[in-house]
Amino acid sequence: NAGVTQTPKFQVLKTGQSMTLQCAQDMNHNSMYWYRQDPGMGLRLIYYSASEGTTDKGEVPNGYNVSRLNKREFSLRLESAAPSQTSVYFCASTRTGNYEQYFGPGTRLTVT
Amino acid sequence: AQSVSQHNHHVILSEAASLELGCNYSYGGTVNLFWYVQYPGQHLQLLLKYFSGDPLVKGIKGFEAEFIKSKFSFNLRKPSVQWSDTAEYFCAVTLDSNYQLIWGAGTKLIIKP
Repeated sequence: NAGVTQTPKFQVLKTGQSMTLQCAQDMNHNSMYWYRQDPGMGLRLIYYSASEGTTDKGEVPNGYNVSRLNKREFSLRLESAAPSQTSVYFCASTRTGNYEQYFGPGTRLTVT
Repeated sequence: AQSVSQHNHHVILSEAASLELGCNYSYGGTVNLFWYVQYPGQHLQLLLKYFSGDPLVKGIKGFEAEFIKSKFSFNLRKPSVQWSDTAEYFCAVTLDSNYQLIWGAGTKLIIKP
């Protein structure tokens, strides 16, 4: 099992550009999450999906959209990137009824 | 709003020293508690967790944590650290039956060889 995979690993964008971060898991988990990690702030939840076909906002959803394409895949889209979105983005998944989250390797995004 | 506090943002120790990293949360109800670790260049992985029962829980690599309900704390300990323990450590909490994790800011641990 690959677990949780994310692409790309690194990305540099100019302000105003758009991009989609991809996440996939092969553990048959129902719930998936997108976080951003900033120095001194821990992880903050952007969006989550409790099950296929549902998505909900987390703590910091502004400037982002998500799609739960199927049970395996959960993508995060930045429509118009801003320097404040420079961060490391992590995708995670968990089985329904289980609190343990499994994380992907992260995407380091820089917006200039 | 509920929060998780990790008191030390950076800790530097020598090998064989004892370690204790503090974690406090602000919520009076039922909690589930976690410590995650992020080694340099790697993704987050679970170190240990507490749901119920014995408040002293043991995790991987010789780590343990103690849940003290009266102090709203879940401190991480290791009696003798190794250079390979250099990493960032995150405390996280779920409240009641909510599966969303609330994260502390993290503690960067550097072990000098």
